[in-house]
Amino acid sequence: AQKITQTQPGMFVQEKEAVTLDCTYDTSDPSYGLFWYKQPSSGEMIFLIYQGSYDQQNATEGRYSLNFQKARKSANLVISASQLGDSAMYFCAMRERLQGAQKLVFGQGTRLTINP
Amino acid sequence: KAGVTQTPRYLIKTRGQQVTLSCSPISGHRSVSWYQQTPGQGLQFLFEYFSETQRNKGNFPGRFSGRQFSNSRSEMNVSTLELGDSALYLCASSPDPNTEAFFGQGTRLTVV
Repeated sequence: AQKITQTQPGMFVQEKEAVTLDCTYDTSDPSYGLFWYKQPSSGEMIFLIYQGSYDQQNATEGRYSLNFQKARKSANLVISASQLGDSAMYFCAMRERLQGAQKLVFGQGTRLTINP
Repeated sequence: KAGVTQTPRYLIKTRGQQVTLSCSPISGHRSVSWYQQTPGQGLQFLFEYFSETQRNKGNFPGRFSGRQFSNSRSEMNVSTLELGDSALYLCASSPDPNTEAFFGQGTRLTVV
């Protein structure tokens, strides 16, 4: 079974600093996808970034980048120049393939707080 | 382009009742999946539909069911509600199973 581990229950960062949220995964499937989502207090899961297991380069989306280290099975999210609006829960997820079906397995999340 | 729409946003039900939640995916997306989020268990997969067919179901009792219509809209139903069913129910859609999944705002169900 696939597993996602986020070891940081909470993080506190000063505004404008960069922050790295850790995520490690475990799978025997050679083809997988890794996702990061942001969940503000409103509850909506906001898609941030995606990395495929065969992608040669680390994914980037604006201030978000994914530090993908395949051999170490880690997929850390890096947020550059943090903003107050970045305060939220962040979830790392892995797509599990089951006979073509889409299923995401989530970590327990990291609560990020940006201090002014 | 409209995002994933879930209705209603909030629900309060009594134990023993049943409830139906609705999810309208992004236009053109054929895959719809449902997740339950609770403080204790985190985010757990309920089921996934693709072109009106349920392709996978998570480890939930038979009280949890769903369906998908020809326009890709999906509903999930929970019968004989229990207090432990109180949760945020999230729906995600994607064009196909190998691409990004986009979530709606969720339906927050409270069972009293």
